[in-house]
Amino acid sequence: DTEVTQTPKHLVMGMTNKKSLKCEQHMGHRAMYWYKQKAKKPPELMFVYSYEKLSINESVPSRFSPECPNSSLLNLHLHALQPEDSALYLCASSLGRWGHGNQPQHFGDGTRLSIL
Amino acid sequence: GIQVEQSPPDLILQEGANSTLRCNFSDSVNNLQWFHQNPWGQLINLFYIPSGTKQNGRLSATTVATERYSLLYISSSQTTDSGVYFCAVGGATGNQFYFGTGTSLTVIP
Repeated sequence: DTEVTQTPKHLVMGMTNKKSLKCEQHMGHRAMYWYKQKAKKPPELMFVYSYEKLSINESVPSRFSPECPNSSLLNLHLHALQPEDSALYLCASSLGRWGHGNQPQHFGDGTRLSIL
Repeated sequence: GIQVEQSPPDLILQEGANSTLRCNFSDSVNNLQWFHQNPWGQLINLFYIPSGTKQNGRLSATTVATERYSLLYISSSQTTDSGVYFCAVGGATGNQFYFGTGTSLTVIP
């Protein structure tokens, strides 16, 4: 599913750094998602944006701050992360109508994040 | 939420063998997808199959929505089929997307 592009592919940061993950799609999808995946576990939903508005926040700590500047772009701003936040972060998109769960989701290749 | 169980959790196959992976879910769904996550972490969409049967090369999938299960069939397995296979479902209310626990497949030459 390379129609969803994530950058960077890898990121190493210290606990005091501020960085951002970027996700872009040009399929006209209006729902975009951030997932976190730890090793040997399924992806866990973090945030859902629908028509550029935050519609689901799965009780994610405030050190993760999502942003959806337009219908094609989704960012995840990171600040003061902890070592346990090291994981693969996946972005996905779907058409966005008739709810989030009942349409196919298209995933990017992910950003592998390591916190030192 | 919807519970999604996959079996078996782990599977080791000789190259060329066939296998069937199963996904059971606890409630009505409007979306069901099968994904393959390769060793590099890429999550590849195999099938969007809320009901019926589909085939793509050596892979095929069947979902029997009324009985709340789906099957992924891999024939003539290759080493490149190794990785984790996830089933994920979207509920009838359409507000969530639930992943199963996955089946880890290793194909040995």
